[in-house]
Amino acid sequence: EMRLLQSGGGLVQPGGSLRLSCTASGFTFRNFAMSWVRQAPGKGLEWLSVISGNGGSTHYADSVKGRFTISRDNSKNTLYLQMDSLRAEDTAFYYCARSPDPDNSGGWFDPWGQGTLVTVSS
Amino acid sequence: DIVMTQTPLSLSVTPGQAASISCKPSQSLLYSDGKTYFYWYLQKPGQPPQLLIYEVSNRFSGVPDRFRGSGSGTDFTLEISRVEAEDVGVYYCMQTTQLPWTFGQGTRVDLK
Repeated sequence: EMRLLQSGGGLVQPGGSLRLSCTASGFTFRNFAMSWVRQAPGKGLEWLSVISGNGGSTHYADSVKGRFTISRDNSKNTLYLQMDSLRAEDTAFYYCARSPDPDNSGGWFDPWGQGTLVTVSS
Repeated sequence: DIVMTQTPLSLSVTPGQAASISCKPSQSLLYSDGKTYFYWYLQKPGQPPQLLIYEVSNRFSGVPDRFRGSGSGTDFTLEISRVEAEDVGVYYCMQTTQLPWTFGQGTRVDLK
């Protein structure tokens, strides 16, 4: 069974940093691009970033460009999201999700991680 | 950015009746390779989204045939032929034709 297990959420002060992790199992991790998507409490979905299967190509939404960094360690089957200069408006559930191909050409998201809550507050 | 406009934003349906959700992108989703990178997801309460329809009209693995996706260019529709209790949640359309990838605002479906 394909699974994505997330960890690393929590409470952080404005201006602080946090790193999220997403560990894959049940499929060959390096063969698939991976994305991060977030959802503010009670709100809709926002795509944040994608990384290709080999890690050589990344893209970001303008809302997080320059503050968030997506990366992956294929030897550990793990995707990361380093979040710096956090703001109150970054408070959300964060999901990782798999694309159907190794490049960043698009495609659907399946499976999704279970989500982890990041709260930015003093 | 491509803006995805869903209507209606909420829908109350009698079990067994049909439901329809519209999604209108601000520009065509037809890519140069001839594919249309348009999807429908359902987010049930307390769960991550789950893929229902990919590339406009293809039901994902395990999705009941009461779900039907259609459309092209800038006009897409999700139809549920006979709504069941397990179909309650928020439905989102999404495009990955052009970066940044974008979602619709969501349509909340509940039962009367």
